[in-house]
Amino acid sequence: QSVLTQPPSVSAAPGQKVTISCSGSSSNIGNNYVSWYQHLPGTAPKLLIYDNIKRPSGIPDRFSGSKSGTSAALDITGLQPGDEADYYCATWESNLSAGGVFGGGTKLTVL
Amino acid sequence: QLQLQETGPGLVQPSETLSLSCSVSGDSISSNIYYWGWIRQPPGRGLEWIGSMYYTGGTYYKPSLESRVTISVDTSNNQFSLKLKSVTAADTAVYYCARQGARTYFYVDVWGKGTTVTVSS
Repeated sequence: QSVLTQPPSVSAAPGQKVTISCSGSSSNIGNNYVSWYQHLPGTAPKLLIYDNIKRPSGIPDRFSGSKSGTSAALDITGLQPGDEADYYCATWESNLSAGGVFGGGTKLTVL
Repeated sequence: QLQLQETGPGLVQPSETLSLSCSVSGDSISSNIYYWGWIRQPPGRGLEWIGSMYYTGGTYYKPSLESRVTISVDTSNNQFSLKLKSVTAADTAVYYCARQGARTYFYVDVWGKGTTVTVSS
C-alpha cells in the first residue's frame, strides 16, 4: 500500500487525452516536487516529468505535469499505441521516515 | 552519456545477504547535486524505492528495510553497492541502480537496465 494513490488503470482511444492522478499528503506531495515515469515491460523506467512540470530533453510536449496542493496529475494528449505502459508518480516523504516514495502505478491502455 | 550497470548474483539463498554493485560510466559519482541509489520491482507489483546515498556519506533508507539495508559508495572506482541481509522470497525482484535528485527535488533521471534477483533455495 503506497502513500501515493494512483488509479490502477485508465484507458482512452488513440488521439484522445488521458489524465492520471496522484494523491498524497502534506508530508510528501504537499511540500516536495513530483516526478512521473513511464515503464514498459522488460525495460527500465523513463523519466517523463520532474519538478512537477519540467520535461527532460527528448520528452514530447504531449506529456505534461501539474500539481495542486497534495495532488498531482500527468496529462497525455494525442494518445499513441506506443504510450500503452505503466505510469508512476514519485516524490519525497518529509516526515520522520524520510525517503523516496512511488505511487502504486497506473496501467494505461490505448483502446 | 551517463550509463549505469548493475552486477551481482541472480540467485540468493534465503537468510543470506543480497549484494549488488552498480558501475557508473560517463560521469563522476562525486557529482555535487545527485544521490545514488536503488529501486526494485517485485514480480507483478510496482516500483519500490530502497534507498540512496550522497558520495560524502549521507544516506536515506526506506524505513521498512532500514534494519537490513546498506548502500555504500566507492568513489575511487566510480561505483556504488547495495547489501540487503536476511533475505526472503519477498525480496525477489528486478533491482535497478539509479541516479536520483536530492531530497525535496527527488526524481530518478538515469536508470540501470535492471537485474533480476531471485531468493530461493
